[in-house]
Amino acid sequence: AQRVTQPEKLLSVFKGAPVELKCNYSYSGSPELFWYVQYSRQRLQLLLRHISRESIKGFTADLNKGETSFHLKKPFAQEEDSAMYYCALPGGATNKLIFGTGTLLAVQP
Amino acid sequence: ETGVTQSPTHLIKTRGQQVTLRCSSQSGHNTVSWYQQALGQGPQFIFQYYREEENGRGNFPPRFSGLQFPNYSSELNVNALELDDSALYLCASSPGGLNTEAFFGQGTRLTVV
Repeated sequence: AQRVTQPEKLLSVFKGAPVELKCNYSYSGSPELFWYVQYSRQRLQLLLRHISRESIKGFTADLNKGETSFHLKKPFAQEEDSAMYYCALPGGATNKLIFGTGTLLAVQP
Repeated sequence: ETGVTQSPTHLIKTRGQQVTLRCSSQSGHNTVSWYQQALGQGPQFIFQYYREEENGRGNFPPRFSGLQFPNYSSELNVNALELDDSALYLCASSPGGLNTEAFFGQGTRLTVV
């Protein structure tokens, strides 16, 4: 079954520290993976996607098919990065998304 | 370009009642998906509509039903409400096609008492 696992509910780091938000997936085939972010009092929005291979707001994510992972990384955390982060996987023939349970990133000053 | 809007933002209903939630899709988008997000969980897919037809359904009972209108706006109806239906309901629209970006509304917070 297709599944996304985010093992950490909360990740607390200090400003300027490196960040890695973990995401593991279960999927048969070549997945297109996404990271969505929800800042306080804002709607869920796309942060980045595997296929575009972009760096958004300093975040990058590399697909590792051997480890079935798509971890989100940033070398130097900023306070404005504090938010809820969700890893997501397309769910087959429809355009639905399968989400992980999310990780709350708290960047301390 | 207008974003995805949902109404109402908050709603309190009694167990056994029926509820209708509404979603206006983003301009140019013909696909609408509905998700249920319980407290502490990620969004769970309920169903999707593409050009007024249901185009996939998650693991939700038949008392969860929906509609999509010719202007691509959508409704989610839930009958015989249960306490466990209390959640944030999210609508997302996309321009159609696989693996396209989903644009989310701000959600409707439903509380069943």
